[in-house]
Amino acid sequence: GESVGLHLPTLSVQEGDNSIINCAYSNSASDYFIWYKQESGKGPQFIIDIRSNMDKRQGQRVTVLLNKTVKHLSLQIAATQPGDSAVYFCAENVENYGQNFVFGPGTRLSVLP
Amino acid sequence: EAQVTQNPRYLITVTGKKLTVTCSQNMNHEYMSWYRQDPGLGLRQIYYSMNVEVTDKGDVPEGYKVSRKEKRNFPLILESPSPNQTSLYFCASSPVGVYGYTFGSGTRLTVV
Repeated sequence: GESVGLHLPTLSVQEGDNSIINCAYSNSASDYFIWYKQESGKGPQFIIDIRSNMDKRQGQRVTVLLNKTVKHLSLQIAATQPGDSAVYFCAENVENYGQNFVFGPGTRLSVLP
Repeated sequence: EAQVTQNPRYLITVTGKKLTVTCSQNMNHEYMSWYRQDPGLGLRQIYYSMNVEVTDKGDVPEGYKVSRKEKRNFPLILESPSPNQTSLYFCASSPVGVYGYTFGSGTRLTVV
């Protein structure tokens, strides 16, 4: 498959444990954030989003937390499964910057059996 | 199935030989964009288009051209490829407004 990054931080978790992936965003004016998942050989896939008027949003097995004070975003994956192994990255949309996003470098999640 | 289709998936070419990477979406999205992905640098935007005949530069447009003659298609053109354009390229689309993108599966380009 395609290599998406040779120098990414890596998080290794045991199958069944919870995973927490962090992202520091750059612009205090950003008001919309997305987490993407990128599996080997595939394009990024939308996982969950959150707007700046929220602190927390939950999806199926995933939760995104937003701390605007320290410009920090986290993705929590409950009961991590082998299929969760991928690169995860956050994207921020800067208010009044149109539809363009700024993407973080990503974190590689490895799920150990 | 709603999707963004890129072709080819893999391409090896020589310096200076013009090439086109095609991108097509079947979701009637107004917004389309091209990114390149390099180790340690994440996704960087090359060009984007808000609608037919409306295109604009992203962060790394040098050496690339695009066109948007039809809503569904947004080809990326490298008039004279160079080795520093060796990368993994992604096309993405979304409806108008601030929403998440739908990405294509990527094109691995190698310029020798």
